[in-house]
Amino acid sequence: GQSLEQPSEVTAVEGAIVQINCTYQTSGFYGLSWYQQHDGGAPTFLSYNALDGLEETGRFSSFLSRSDSYGYLLLQELQMKDSASYFCAVTLWASGYSTLTFGKGTMLLVSP
Amino acid sequence: NAGVTQTPKFQVLKTGQSMTLQCAQDMNHNSMYWYRQDPGMGLRLIYYSASEGTTDKGEVPNGYNVSRLNKREFSLRLESAAPSQTSVYFCASSERNWGRGGSYNEQFFGPGTRLTVL
Repeated sequence: GQSLEQPSEVTAVEGAIVQINCTYQTSGFYGLSWYQQHDGGAPTFLSYNALDGLEETGRFSSFLSRSDSYGYLLLQELQMKDSASYFCAVTLWASGYSTLTFGKGTMLLVSP
Repeated sequence: NAGVTQTPKFQVLKTGQSMTLQCAQDMNHNSMYWYRQDPGMGLRLIYYSASEGTTDKGEVPNGYNVSRLNKREFSLRLESAAPSQTSVYFCASSERNWGRGGSYNEQFFGPGTRLTVL
């Protein structure tokens, strides 16, 4: 089976930097994705890591260590609009097709 | 482009009733997915369709059936609804992108259907 662990809640203030960690135990791991979901809304894709190291996309960066089965999402220069839930998800491949298994999500609360 | 659309947005059923949740995408994606989201549980895959004409079970398929009607449409049916199926249901479709390390599928989600079973 697959399991992903991430903190249930993280709080930070505007302008700060926050890191959301994700550890996983899977078979057939192919890569780690991050999705953002504002309250009541549709999840939206943020980033993907297949190789070790850091991927940067504007204020957001994502890191992966395959040997440690660990990744994180780094959010810089936090804004109020970053208050949302963040999900890590592992990409699994079977019979030539891929699916995602999601963690339970981390709620980020940004305060003024 | 509308992206991924779902109908209805809200639905209340009585135990034992049946209904079909509709999903359509206009992005010409091959793969489509149905998830349910419960508080504190994240998104769990119910069924997916890797391409037109194929469907496969996900993590929590019991109590559901799906139909991939054509490339655009993927429906989810509850034959006999139970209170345990009270949830928010999301449909998604995916396209293959290329990044460092190879290809990956980016999923695009619909707005969700909020279903309550009494």
